[in-house]
Amino acid sequence: QVQLVESGGGLVKPGGSLRLSCAASGFSFRDYYMSWIRQAPGKGLEWISYISDSGSTKNYADSVRGRFTISRDNAKNSLDLQMNSLRAEDTALYYCARPHMSGTRRGAFDLWGQGTMVIVS
Amino acid sequence: DIEMTQSPSSLSASVGDRVTITCRASQNINSYLNWYRQKPGRVPELLIYAASSLRSGVPSRFRGSGSGTDFTLTINSLHAEDSATYYCQQTYTNPRFGGGTTVEIK
Repeated sequence: QVQLVESGGGLVKPGGSLRLSCAASGFSFRDYYMSWIRQAPGKGLEWISYISDSGSTKNYADSVRGRFTISRDNAKNSLDLQMNSLRAEDTALYYCARPHMSGTRRGAFDLWGQGTMVIVS
Repeated sequence: DIEMTQSPSSLSASVGDRVTITCRASQNINSYLNWYRQKPGRVPELLIYAASSLRSGVPSRFRGSGSGTDFTLTINSLHAEDSATYYCQQTYTNPRFGGGTTVEIK
């Protein structure tokens, strides 16, 4: 079954850290760029980071650059997001997502996880 | 950064109506424009990619058009299940979503 399953969310105090994980299955994970996207309660979608298929290229939205780190383990089909120096405005549902084409960061996101909630308070 | 502006921010329409949502990019993004539907409490789902390509399994009442900076999502014959928020997204540079358009069924 082709799916993404996030975990690791929870309640954390401002300034604290949290590590999110995304387990991929049913497709060749190592061939795809992967992204994290978040959605604050009642708000729109915000892309926050992507990592290339090999893991050699990473990019971040300005809102999280320097605080969040994306990583992946292709042997374990897993994607992580290390979140440090958390702020109240980081409170959101965090999704991992896969583009519809392998080998490119420019694909549309055709596969999403169910999300994991992070509350900073 | 490329800004994505959607309009309107919300609309109300009846079942069977034709609905049009526009998305404008602050600079040329060629055809790197995608459309998503997010039903309340649900995960976003991809409808249209590359401005006008209908994702497999998506009903043909959804149509995307445009290139460069101006794009349109048209829903022909609105269904009750189309009550949702619609987002455009550019992937020409770092992915960025528009602010969303909430479609309400009258």
